[in-house]
Amino acid sequence: EPEVTQTPSHQVTQMGQEVILRCVPISNHLYFYWYRQILGQKVEFLVSFYNNEISEKSEIFDDQFSVERPDGSNFTLKIRSTKLEDSAMYFCASSGQGRNLGQFFGPGTRLTVL
Amino acid sequence: GEDVEQSLFLSVREGDSSVINCTYTDSSSTYLYWYKQEPGAGLQLLTYIFSNMDMKQDQRLTVLLNKKDKHLSLRIADTQTGDSAIYFCAEIGDSSYKLIFGSGTRLLVRP
Repeated sequence: EPEVTQTPSHQVTQMGQEVILRCVPISNHLYFYWYRQILGQKVEFLVSFYNNEISEKSEIFDDQFSVERPDGSNFTLKIRSTKLEDSAMYFCASSGQGRNLGQFFGPGTRLTVL
Repeated sequence: GEDVEQSLFLSVREGDSSVINCTYTDSSSTYLYWYKQEPGAGLQLLTYIFSNMDMKQDQRLTVLLNKKDKHLSLRIADTQTGDSAIYFCAEIGDSSYKLIFGSGTRLLVRP
């Protein structure tokens, strides 16, 4: 069964450093998303991406964040200058043509900012 | 703003039915979802229901939606130890791309 994959599973970085989190969505999906879950808090939406542009973003998704689909298979989230409060589990998701029929999530990348 | 609430914990005996409840505030919700998260894993989509339906059954899972009260429930029949996990309710609003999640209900199935 096709699945969303994410790398790395765990990333440790120093405050102020740039990180890139990588995702490979399900191959025929058209919509791509990033969410995050800070420990003990709800899963929060960051951004959605469709047709090579951002379709919706949350207030969390400020100028420090960017997304890219550099080729036909990868979808990346870049955090330019990490802060302590960026420590969280980051989930990538994708959905197909019927986007409301469900978003399919990857296993997550745990980001730890020291 | 939109909000989704769930009770935090449910414990049931193996073989019993489990009912996990969820309430939401967004009256423009079009689809509602149940996700399952096992330890160390991502969010697995279990089922969804369109807002003009009031019930959906899928094998051991039954979803009930009361749109007037903005209440959603997930019933798991014949609960097994493998059903122990965190269950998240989520909704999506009209013309939106973002899922709004509840805080998750931890289901513990006792042998």
